[in-house]
Order: sequence, then C-alpha cells, then structure tokens
Amino acid sequence: LAKTTQPISMDSYEGQEVNITCSHNNIATNDYITWYQQFPSQGPRFIIQGYKTKVTNEVASLFIPADRKSSTLSLPRVSLSDTAVYYCLVGDYTDKLIFGTGTRLQVFP
Amino acid sequence: NAGVTQTPKFQVLKTGQSMTLQCAQDMNHNSMYWYRQDPGMGLRLIYYSASEGTTDKGEVPNGYNVSRLNKREFSLRLESAAPSQTSVYFCASSAGRTGTALYEQYFGPGTRLTVT
Repeated sequence: LAKTTQPISMDSYEGQEVNITCSHNNIATNDYITWYQQFPSQGPRFIIQGYKTKVTNEVASLFIPADRKSSTLSLPRVSLSDTAVYYCLVGDYTDKLIFGTGTRLQVFP
Repeated sequence: NAGVTQTPKFQVLKTGQSMTLQCAQDMNHNSMYWYRQDPGMGLRLIYYSASEGTTDKGEVPNGYNVSRLNKREFSLRLESAAPSQTSVYFCASSAGRTGTALYEQYFGPGTRLTVT
C-alpha cells in the first residue's frame, strides 16, 4: 500500500491560490491519485483524480510530475467555504485507499 | 435521488448492547463501504462489499459484522458494543473501477455513536 505524507495544516486568505503537496514515494504503476475534501460533521467529498501530468476540473487542478512520487492539489482563489480537511489517497482499488489524517486548511477573511 | 442515506444519525449505547447501523444507496452502485472516524483522525475502513453477496474485511473489522442485504443496502452490526467503538461511522458507495480510473466514493452523512 502506498503511504502518503501531507502537511498537517495550512493557513491562507480569501482570494489566494492554495497548493497542497502530497508525497507518495512508493506509488505503484497501477495506482491512481485521488483527493477528497471533508467539512466538519460531513462525509468526505471527491475533488479530483489523476494518474499522471495535469488534471483540471471546475474546482481544482492536480499536478503530477513524471516520476509520480508526489502530487499537488491546487485550489484557485480560495474562499472561506474552502476551509476543510483535504485527503490525498493513492491506490488502485477503492478498498485499498487509506485516508490519513489529511491537511487541515484554514482560510481567513 | 437521495444518494447515500444512513440511519440513525445519533445513537447512545451502553457497553454490551448491540445495534445495527443501516445504509442504503440509490445510485445502482456495485461497491459499498463502512468506515469509522475517530476525533481528529482520518477514516479507517471496517468492511467493504465489492458486489452483492460478497463482503470483505478492511483495516479494522474486529467487533463488527456486516450484511449486504441486496444491491442497495449494506448494514453494520455491533454485537457487543465497547467504549472503544465510540466514533462517527460513514457508509459509502461507488461504481468500483474501470481500466482507466477509480470511480469516486459517495459518502453518507454519518452516524454518531457513543458507547458509555
């Protein structure tokens, strides 16, 4: 199972771009990189998934270098509502995904 | 389309009591999952069901049993509750995976269980 390492917490201000980096040195060939967001008292919500290079959707971008040993979730122009915990997961089957403690993002006005 | 629903939302049990947490999804997903989340921690997988009629242990299965009643429903049973099982329990479902991606998991609102 690929272990991931991400910062415990990050602070930002409204309107700034936030980049959260996740390290996964032992990622396997078939593994995908998936990010989830969790608000207090709610279940996690899928944000984005990628395998290599760059993926972008309406809420975030995911940058994956060629060696795939790390990935960066980019949140453009964050707002107060982006305050949440962000989880980076690596694996090839959902039942093999491990939610670590995540990165607690606090956005200030 | 309700997504994933869980009942009850809150429950208080005494040590040794039993209860069943119910989960249902209306997205025709093959796979369903039960997680627990302790305060300040990430989610840990208790059991999962890759398809109707199959169940498998996850990371922390001890003290729990599950039943995949049909494609829609996946229940979690605590036979003899212990204070260490005080947690928030989340049910999730997904379509599984394809050759090119993992389908996302959809989570229910959670059940907050306290065992005294």
